[in-house]
Amino acid sequence: KQEVTQIPAALSVPEGENLVLNCSFTDSAIYNLQWFRQDPGKGLTSLLLIQSSQREQTSGRLNASLDKSSGRSTLYIAASQPGDSATYLCAVSGETSGSRLTFGEGTQLTVNP
Amino acid sequence: GAGVSQTPSNKVTEKGKYVELRCDPISGHTALYWYRQSLGQGPEFLIYFQGTGAADDSGLPNDRFFAVRPEGSVSTLKIQRTERGDSAVYLCASSLLEFGKLFFGSGTQLSVL
Repeated sequence: KQEVTQIPAALSVPEGENLVLNCSFTDSAIYNLQWFRQDPGKGLTSLLLIQSSQREQTSGRLNASLDKSSGRSTLYIAASQPGDSATYLCAVSGETSGSRLTFGEGTQLTVNP
Repeated sequence: GAGVSQTPSNKVTEKGKYVELRCDPISGHTALYWYRQSLGQGPEFLIYFQGTGAADDSGLPNDRFFAVRPEGSVSTLKIQRTERGDSAVYLCASSLLEFGKLFFGSGTQLSVL
């Protein structure tokens, strides 16, 4: 059974800092990995999707990397802003489990002005 | 519509009652998913539809839970004989293609008293 772990559970940084969020998964037979953002009381917004054959994806100040063989992914946020404050969730889909995603519990990020 | 729409946004019911939660996906999206999220946890997969059929219902916790998508668009999640443990946010998501980027609704907060 796939398990996804995110470290740290919570992170508080001053505005302008570069930061890294970590995600690990136990079964490396994944189809893709996605990073989502969730604001309080809201649904999830997809930030980046990395196919299993890819090493990284970039969107603006966000960069996500994937090391499938070691079961790890990182989300790098450059020059953090207060508007980046949210919970960030990592999720994987398995080669044999089709489209169902297994989520981590998330990292709650606070960027202080 | 512009995004995934879920109604109601909040539902309070009594233990033992029947509830229906509605999801209206993005127009043209053939794939539709239901997830359940408890406080402080990542979403847990419930069921996945491709078109009108349930392609994967392995996440439904028991036979009190049922979902339909009769015309391949709107979906209804039905919960019979609700229990206090069913209290959670029920999230719906859709995607244009299987394994594609997911677009989530804002969820229905279900509270069973």
